[in-house]
Amino acid sequence: AQSVAQPEDQVNVAEGNPLTVKCTYSVSGNPYLFWYVQYPNRGLQFLLKYITGDNLVKGSYGFEAEFNKSQTSFHLKKPSALVSDSALYFCAVRDPYSGAGSYQLTFGKGTKLSVIP
Amino acid sequence: KAGVTQTPRYLIKTRGQQVTLSCSPISGHRSVSWYQQTPGQGLQFLFEYFSETQRNKGNFPGRFSGRQFSNSRSEMNVSTLELGDSALYLCASSEGGSFYNEQFFGPGTRLTVL
Repeated sequence: AQSVAQPEDQVNVAEGNPLTVKCTYSVSGNPYLFWYVQYPNRGLQFLLKYITGDNLVKGSYGFEAEFNKSQTSFHLKKPSALVSDSALYFCAVRDPYSGAGSYQLTFGKGTKLSVIP
Repeated sequence: KAGVTQTPRYLIKTRGQQVTLSCSPISGHRSVSWYQQTPGQGLQFLFEYFSETQRNKGNFPGRFSGRQFSNSRSEMNVSTLELGDSALYLCASSEGGSFYNEQFFGPGTRLTVL
């Protein structure tokens, strides 16, 4: 069965500093990985995805993520954090080899990012 | 294109009642998924419909059911409500034809069970 872990419930970073939100996954085959962001009282917004190819994926709002197969990780990064980046971030995985569950997205518990002015 | 819409946005019910939530996907999207979001459990997958067929189901009791219509709109029903059903219910749509399609989420329906 597929699973996702976000080891940090909360990440605090000063405005202008680089930020990293961690994600590790477990699947039986090659994963499809996604990052979403949720602002208060809103639905989730898609940020970026890794399907295949270059391990560094660039997405919306200046975010990028690095796929590391040996460490089964897909960490979200941004070179310079903004106060407006403060939100809840979710990592998700899809395992195309999981049979009937192949289309299902499995989400991590989420990481609350706070960017301090 | 208009985004995913969900109605109603807020709902208050009492234990034992039933409730129906509605989701209209992005035009052209054939897949609709439902999730329950709570502070303790995070995002939990309920079920997914594609072209009116339930393609996948999460680990929820039979009180939770859904359906999809020919225009891809979807409804979710919860019968015999329990206090623990209080949550944000999110609907997401995607083109659905491929594993690498991302999902687009609606704003959610906040259900409170008293």
